[in-house]
Amino acid sequence: SAVISQKPSRDICQRGTSLTIQCQVDSQVTMMFWYRQQPGQSLTLIATANQGSEATYESGFVIDKFPISRPNLTFSTLTVSNLSPEDSSIYLCSVEMERGDTEAFFGQGTRLTVV
Amino acid sequence: AQSVAQPEDQVNVAEGNPLTVKCTYSVSGNPYLFWYVQYPNRGLQFLLKYITGDNLVKGSYGFEAEFNKSQTSFHLKKPSALVSDSALYFCAVREKYNQAGTALIFGKGTTLSVSS
Repeated sequence: SAVISQKPSRDICQRGTSLTIQCQVDSQVTMMFWYRQQPGQSLTLIATANQGSEATYESGFVIDKFPISRPNLTFSTLTVSNLSPEDSSIYLCSVEMERGDTEAFFGQGTRLTVV
Repeated sequence: AQSVAQPEDQVNVAEGNPLTVKCTYSVSGNPYLFWYVQYPNRGLQFLLKYITGDNLVKGSYGFEAEFNKSQTSFHLKKPSALVSDSALYFCAVREKYNQAGTALIFGKGTTLSVSS
């Protein structure tokens, strides 16, 4: 299993600013994922982050808006840039262990409100 | 493409009654199926998974789910609901690969409301 510490747990940000979310895992993992959960909706994958390589973004998400860092096997950050009210969501990081048949583990989420 | 459908936005049951939260899936190969629960202001918590073997899977907090390949369903069940089960439930699927590296595909979620 894995324990994930995600911070901040919530934030209120002004339009045009940026927020960086940190995700710390208590064990080394290859794959980390960032999801967005818009109000009243399901989880949508933003990107997959591998250590030592560029993140892979899903359709509709671009690096300029959602830059991701993955400096080592236990840590990642997601930045949401040039904030607008439409970015108000819960952002979650997730990790999976080496085998594909294990469950994914999630951080507590970051609730972002843009005003 | 993989997909998951949760046909009900909300399920209402009385405490002590059995509950069912429905999920159907679509994948080209064999699926890995998961149920997660989300309480307010919390992250997702894993409930149970189907990988292979017995079609009836037992998980946390007294929940179970039945895998039905012919109906491509993986409904979540509990014999006797508790008020504390009230939460948002997500079904998720991953296509079966020999190695990790693919994210989960989530259904839209079903809000379970258990009344006392």
